[in-house]
Amino acid sequence: DGGITQSPKYLFRKEGQNVTLSCEQNLNHDAMYWYRQDPGQGLRLIYYSQIVNDFQKGDIAEGYSVSREKKESFPLTVTSAQKNPTAFYLCASSIAGGSYSSYNEQFFGPGTRLTVL
Amino acid sequence: AQKVTQAQTEISVVEKEDVTLDCVYETRDTTYYLFWYKQPPSGELVFLIRRNSFDEQNEISGRYSWNFQKSTSSFNFTITASQVVDSAVYFCALSFWYYGGATNKLIFGTGTLLAVQP
Repeated sequence: DGGITQSPKYLFRKEGQNVTLSCEQNLNHDAMYWYRQDPGQGLRLIYYSQIVNDFQKGDIAEGYSVSREKKESFPLTVTSAQKNPTAFYLCASSIAGGSYSSYNEQFFGPGTRLTVL
Repeated sequence: AQKVTQAQTEISVVEKEDVTLDCVYETRDTTYYLFWYKQPPSGELVFLIRRNSFDEQNEISGRYSWNFQKSTSSFNFTITASQVVDSAVYFCALSFWYYGGATNKLIFGTGTLLAVQP
């Protein structure tokens, strides 16, 4: 089955700890994305990557870090610098990042719910 | 500025009622795409429809229909004869070309929680 997997589904963290969320895709997509969702809000882009070993900050990158060492994997680390990390995190992927006149649809994973204790 | 507004935070209907979810967008681009996603309680976003800015034809898919009007910058979603399984959060989203990052960016509205009562 092709798709995007995120683990764990639920994650609890103590204040001051870094934590890494996993995102793996077997769709052979070049581009991958991380979004954050807060209650009553839409999704906001944290980081995205168009190609292996390259990534760009999204709208709310502060307190987060990513790596893209393999095409299939795009882990997100929530660092202790993130002031309010409790949220629902969604990973997505698409074929190459698109162009002005076209769009490549993003497919979403099931999400990880992070709670800071 | 690029923006999507879903003014309806929550809607509650009784099964078999028709319901329309509103979406208003803002963009300076002439080429853009509009989307609707469904987020059931499980959390995963389910793609429902994509529309590009050059195609204003309305679309119907079973009980779902979409009305795209560039004149009012709206892309509304109607569910006919709603069912309990339609209960979810529905997001409208706008994609535009982001020259700074040479990529398409997705901007989401805040979502509308639809509760369909039996």
